[in-house]
Amino acid sequence: DTEVTQTPKHLVMGMTNKKSLKCEQHMGHRAMYWYKQKAKKPPELMFVYSYEKLSINESVPSRFSPECPNSSLLNLHLHALQPEDSALYLCASSQGWGGGTEAFFGQGTRLTVV
Amino acid sequence: GENVEQHPSTLSVQEGDSAVIKCTYSDSASNYFPWYKQELGKGPQLIIDIRSNVGEKKDQRIAVTLNKTAKHFSLHITETQPEDSAVYFCAASEGNTPLVFGKGTRLSVIA
Repeated sequence: DTEVTQTPKHLVMGMTNKKSLKCEQHMGHRAMYWYKQKAKKPPELMFVYSYEKLSINESVPSRFSPECPNSSLLNLHLHALQPEDSALYLCASSQGWGGGTEAFFGQGTRLTVV
Repeated sequence: GENVEQHPSTLSVQEGDSAVIKCTYSDSASNYFPWYKQELGKGPQLIIDIRSNVGEKKDQRIAVTLNKTAKHFSLHITETQPEDSAVYFCAASEGNTPLVFGKGTRLSVIA
């Protein structure tokens, strides 16, 4: 089973709203990632968690706040977003961090900020 | 840092023909090269990968080749089918570095 599950699939939120994206994997992977993907572009790395600790923050604005409650779950808390933050948000996981391990992506959350 | 160039950006082939997508990378220390297929409205799906100690890898109709000296790798799809139509991304990474993606190739298989 190489499944990474993301909820919700679609989300529309106002600029003053607070919402959360959720990601879950049960493959025993110890690295989890958030990516942002705009139309016709490759995924763009936002955050990396390794063993439930934040390893990489690619200078993401503080209106995006990641959280890793345990080794299977990854959240992305959203607050005061801008319309330009509308995108497909992808979660991924891999066995470990680095060393060329396979990364598996979820189906993404299509976020629209109005 | 690593830079990955991918060509072509769009590719149209007749059903049954072969398709080839090429990528070049800049960091000679990169040692892992996956390929992802992304269908409309879905997340990227890992379809094949290759490591730097291997020159070629094949899985049914899909093959990947790696030329470390020239720092390029390619995806080959034979006997293309309409369901192969998607956007394909190559990527590269080294050790404790994130995947660096190419810009993607939109493949259209015409029935």
